[in-house]
Amino acid sequence: AQTVTQSQPEMSVQEAETVTLSCTYDTSESDYYLFWYKQPPSRQMILVIRQEAYKQQNATENRFSVNFQKAAKSFSLKISDSQLGDAAMYFCAYRSPPTQGAQKLVFGQGTRLTINP
Amino acid sequence: DAGVTQSPTHLIKTRGQQVTLRCSPKSGHDTVSWYQQALGQGPQFIFQYYEEEERQRGNFPDRFSGHQFPNYSSELNVNALLLGDSALYLCASSLGYRANTGELFFGEGSRLTVL
Repeated sequence: AQTVTQSQPEMSVQEAETVTLSCTYDTSESDYYLFWYKQPPSRQMILVIRQEAYKQQNATENRFSVNFQKAAKSFSLKISDSQLGDAAMYFCAYRSPPTQGAQKLVFGQGTRLTINP
Repeated sequence: DAGVTQSPTHLIKTRGQQVTLRCSPKSGHDTVSWYQQALGQGPQFIFQYYEEEERQRGNFPDRFSGHQFPNYSSELNVNALLLGDSALYLCASSLGYRANTGELFFGEGSRLTVL
């Protein structure tokens, strides 16, 4: 079974600075998807960024980028120019390839990010 | 375009009771998944419904059951409630059982408290 580990329960960063959230995972599959989701106090999970394992290029979405190290099974999220609205719980998640059918996500324990003004 | 909607947003039950939570998927989506998120933890997969059938199930007892209706909406039922069932229950929808996009759209959840 796949597992996802986030070793940083809490992180804080000054507004406008850069922060990196860590995630490692364990799988025997060669093809899969990795995600970072953000959960603000409103509770709704919002997709931040997605990475397909077969793509060597790291995904980027505006101020958010990932460092995907497939051999090391590491998937970190970098937030540049942090903004107050980035404060939230961040979850790393794994999904098996679509050929396996169901779109079950396996989540890590989460990292609470605080932005200091 | 309405996103995923869940009801009720909050509810309180006592041990041994039964509860039904409801979910309407994002417009155009046909697949619904349910997750349980205990306080301070990441969500855990309960089950997924497509074409009115349960397609995959996580490590949850039979007290957890579900249903999907022809309009793709879904219900999660929990019988014989235990204190440990207190959690945020999230519904997520997507298009296509074997779709490649991998993106799930989540609702804001139903907060269940069992006393």
